Amino acid sequence: DTGVSQNPRHKITKRGQNVTFRCDPISEHNRLYWYRQTLGQGPEFLTYFQNEAQLEKSRLLSDRFSAERPKGSFSTLEIQRTEQGDSAMYLCASSPGEETQYFGPGTRLLVL
Amino acid sequence: AQSVAQPEDQVNVAEGNPLTVKCTYSVSGNPYLFWYVQYPNRGLQFLLKYITGDNLVKGSYGFEAEFNKSQTSFHLKKPSALVSDSALYFCAVRDYNNAGNMLTFGGGTRLMVKP
Repeated sequence: DTGVSQNPRHKITKRGQNVTFRCDPISEHNRLYWYRQTLGQGPEFLTYFQNEAQLEKSRLLSDRFSAERPKGSFSTLEIQRTEQGDSAMYLCASSPGEETQYFGPGTRLLVL
Repeated sequence: AQSVAQPEDQVNVAEGNPLTVKCTYSVSGNPYLFWYVQYPNRGLQFLLKYITGDNLVKGSYGFEAEFNKSQTSFHLKKPSALVSDSALYFCAVRDYNNAGNMLTFGGGTRLMVKP
């Protein structure tokens, strides 16, 4: 087990394009989280899955954002019609229960 | 609602000296408190947590933190700083009653340890 992995690590796209990020949690962790971190700020919660069920979504998650975890293992985060304000580091975390969340290396998105 | 404040954007300390990175929190119920460290272009690395029990918790790399309920604080400490400790440190809180397990992070404190 090598921890939470995220792909790609970097993504550059043009405004208006769609992008998709993938997160593979630590095996047997049933909880998975997405956060967004902008430069100079702490991470902000986006959404949370318990197994395949998406149980909570932040107000930050606009209609252009969608996340899935179809089989309760890996998760994808898609951003449609990207805007320059979407440029950020997107962090995924997983946990085996209610306590410690373990973070992946993040995907850095730059929207031109 | 839950919130975290890290009042110092940057802390400077000389190698070998003790360090403290401050954190205060606000939750409506009982807090779960965490410290994470972030190195450049990397994700967050877990350092330590307070859930219940002894107010002084010990974590990775010689770090420790003290939970103070009356002051709603959870300051991170280390007796002797290393240059390699230089990084960005984040305090986070979760309300025990928050079934979603969402963490709320502070804005981060940059620790600079000079030789």
